[in-house]
Amino acid sequence: SQTIHQWPATLVQPVGSPLSLECTVEGTSNPNLYWYRQAAGRGLQLLFYSVGIGQISSEVPQNLSASRPQDRQFILSSKKLLLSDSGFYLCALGGKEQFFGPGTRLTVL
Amino acid sequence: TQLLEQSPQFLSIQEGENLTVYCNSSSVFSSLQWYRQEPGEGPVLLVTVVTGGEVKKLKRLTFQFGDARKDSSLHITAAQPGDTGLYLCAEAYNNNDMRFGAGTRLTVKP
Repeated sequence: SQTIHQWPATLVQPVGSPLSLECTVEGTSNPNLYWYRQAAGRGLQLLFYSVGIGQISSEVPQNLSASRPQDRQFILSSKKLLLSDSGFYLCALGGKEQFFGPGTRLTVL
Repeated sequence: TQLLEQSPQFLSIQEGENLTVYCNSSSVFSSLQWYRQEPGEGPVLLVTVVTGGEVKKLKRLTFQFGDARKDSSLHITAAQPGDTGLYLCAEAYNNNDMRFGAGTRLTVKP
């Protein structure tokens, strides 16, 4: 069965610091992978998706970037965090039906 | 750009009551998914509806897709505290892009 791991589970970072969030998947090959951000009490905003190694599509212009160095690894990064980057970051796989990981709670102070 | 509008935004009811939440769009859905998200966790898929007029049941949850495929509803019968959560509708478009509504936050009080 499919499993998604996200690391870390929670993170508190100062404004201007770098960011690296990791998502790894098990139990599937060549999945479509997605990064979402969810503000407190709000819906999901699609940030990036990837259909394969090295292939990244960006949905929203921002100071975040994504990379897919391996088939089952998806990384979300930033060089300098903003206060507005705070939120719940979710990694997902699939197509029309999405399977989500446990999320990373990011607080930027 | 097609927007998914969910209503109500918040709903607080007593255990045992019935409720309906809605998801609407200005354009036709190719298919529609409903998810439930509990605090601090990722959303979990409940159902996918594809055909206009389709009705699907999942225990006490009934999902309906509008005939014109521009709206959908989720009805919960005899709500329980375990139904508490954020209910999200979503659509896949352009093959790989996903769009989610803002959700309905349901609280069921014991």
